[in-house]
Amino acid sequence: QVQLVQSGAEVKKPGASVKVSCKASGYSFTDYYIHWVRQAPGQGLEWMGRLNPNSGATNYAPKFQGRVTMTRAMSISTTYMELSQLTSDDAAVYYCARVLWAGYDAFDIWGQGTLVTVSS
Amino acid sequence: EVVLTQSPGTLSLSPGERATLSCRASQSVRSGQLAWYQQKAGQAPRLLIYGASIRATGIPDRFSVSGSGTDFTLTISRLEPEDLAVYYCQQYGNSISFGGGTKVEIK
Repeated sequence: QVQLVQSGAEVKKPGASVKVSCKASGYSFTDYYIHWVRQAPGQGLEWMGRLNPNSGATNYAPKFQGRVTMTRAMSISTTYMELSQLTSDDAAVYYCARVLWAGYDAFDIWGQGTLVTVSS
Repeated sequence: EVVLTQSPGTLSLSPGERATLSCRASQSVRSGQLAWYQQKAGQAPRLLIYGASIRATGIPDRFSVSGSGTDFTLTISRLEPEDLAVYYCQQYGNSISFGGGTKVEIK
């Protein structure tokens, strides 16, 4: 079945970087953009950016520009989200999500989420 | 940036009642590119509605959306216990943004 499986929980120190993976299966990896959305504890959803798995092109939310990098490994149908210069405000569950279809950025498939804890 | 404001923050209703959730945009949502998600505790969000009013696969017809431009309403016609969740609207016509969510509690 179509699914996105994310890497496990991470604990990082302030100032460090974290890299979360999202492995796609059950569909053609290059046909659908992947987006990243995060959710701080008890808070709402926050869009971080998107990656075109076919070309590798990215668009980042202004808030994260310069601090986030989204990449992919086509051979293993996996996308990555790396966030640097972590602070306590970055503690959240990070989700990858697949769009419904090209150019239509509603998300029909979500990863299970990866909890990132930032603590000294 | 398109700011989405959802109201009320919390809705407490009994099973069988009608729930009305509002999503207001700071500017017109282009081409009805609005979606709604349901998020249950400890789970990832689930797509309910896209294209302003199209139910996603497997979503019962108890869920419907009305509105256009800057004002949208998600209606759950007959609440069931499993509808306990937080509901988010999202616009994807001008970059992407989410509303702050409405929590639906079941009395």
